[in-house]
Amino acid sequence: EDKVVQSPLSLVVHEGDTVTLNCSYEVTNFRSLLWYKQEKKAPTFLFMLTSSGIEKKSGRLSSILDKKELFSILNITATQTGDSAIYLCAVDSGAGSYQLTFGKGTKLSVIP
Amino acid sequence: DADVTQTPRNRITKTGKRIMLECSQTKGHDRMYWYRQDPGLGLRLIYYSFDVKDINKGEISDGYSVSRQAQAKFSLSLESAIPNQTALYFCATSGGQGSNTGELFFGEGSRLTVL
Repeated sequence: EDKVVQSPLSLVVHEGDTVTLNCSYEVTNFRSLLWYKQEKKAPTFLFMLTSSGIEKKSGRLSSILDKKELFSILNITATQTGDSAIYLCAVDSGAGSYQLTFGKGTKLSVIP
Repeated sequence: DADVTQTPRNRITKTGKRIMLECSQTKGHDRMYWYRQDPGLGLRLIYYSFDVKDINKGEISDGYSVSRQAQAKFSLSLESAIPNQTALYFCATSGGQGSNTGELFFGEGSRLTVL
């Protein structure tokens, strides 16, 4: 059974802090790992990672994948209150089906 | 207008009632999915469909059924709702043949409460 584990499950930081969210996985047939941000309702896409060691960046957010150790991290620098959300990690286990297995999410709260 | 539209957005019903959640999309995607989200449990796949003639059970299909009426429409039914089906339900789509990404595009969600 495919498994995606995120840590921590919740995190409270002050504005300006840097945070690192973790995602480890065990899947039978890895194709890609995706990060989503869920603020109020629908999750919105952040990154898709397929290759080890190549950092993806978007503004203050960045992410990297380690396919040997089976994990990914999502970094947020200089956090703002607008970064408060649930961050979801999902793994596409391929086999032609594009089924995503999601972790339980990390709830990030950024306080002024 | 949203690319993936779910109706209703909120619904309160009683145990034993039949409920249908509808999803339509304008993205032209072949693949459509229904997920449910519960606090602390993340998103879990209920059913998915890769085209009109292809329906597949996901991780938690018991108590649910689906219908793919057209490429753009995918509905989820609870034949006899029970309280532990109270959850936030998401419809999602992804690119079809020729697409090399598993990225999902989500609707705004349908919050269902079963009393």
